[in-house]
Amino acid sequence: DTGVSQDPRHKITKRGQNVTFRCDPISEHNRLYWYRQTLGQGPEFLTYFQNEAQLEKSRLLSDRFSAERPKGSFSTLEIQRTEQGDSAMYLCASSLGLAANTGELFFGEGSRLTVL
Amino acid sequence: LAKTTQPISMDSYEGQEVNITCSHNNIATNDYITWYQQFPSQGPRFIIQGYKTKVTNEVASLFIPADRKSSTLSLPRVSLSDTAVYYCLVGDTGRRALTFGSGTRLQVQP
Repeated sequence: DTGVSQDPRHKITKRGQNVTFRCDPISEHNRLYWYRQTLGQGPEFLTYFQNEAQLEKSRLLSDRFSAERPKGSFSTLEIQRTEQGDSAMYLCASSLGLAANTGELFFGEGSRLTVL
Repeated sequence: LAKTTQPISMDSYEGQEVNITCSHNNIATNDYITWYQQFPSQGPRFIIQGYKTKVTNEVASLFIPADRKSSTLSLPRVSLSDTAVYYCLVGDTGRRALTFGSGTRLQVQP
């Protein structure tokens, strides 16, 4: 399978614990995005990388959230001191970002987080 | 960022053509219009993208009038498997990440 893969697919944790999600994008894609989606809502943008550089970060992202893409390949999203409001599906997407406007994001299946 | 408005939900029957219109009054010159489809518990899937006039691929058509303040996604002869949420996004992906709205829930009935 050469699509975007995310791990774990499901995570249940207790409030106050830290969690980390991993995303492996399509190998030749230089852009990587993280979105969060709650039931009945569209995906909410969190952050975006071009290669290893984090170019954009949502103002909605509290300082408990941090994302990295150290070698411009896979990425991790860490949530510290989880709260019940963090319960959501965390979606990763990648694209082959060129100078032109491509728009086609390839999404993974998501990592569902439940905070008890 | 250009804000989009689309119907919350639509109903259709198998075999019919479905048109979902999206309004984006403050679209910018560099913005493209992109549509995604999402099934429950899956990530969104790209359907089609356009800048102006008409774009057609194997699954859909996208109609964009000259003023580009709206766009219409056309799904020919829908089937039950087209039941999903459809999102209209407007933006310049060369500069910023795309923002999803609440989408249109399409329910196709037999």
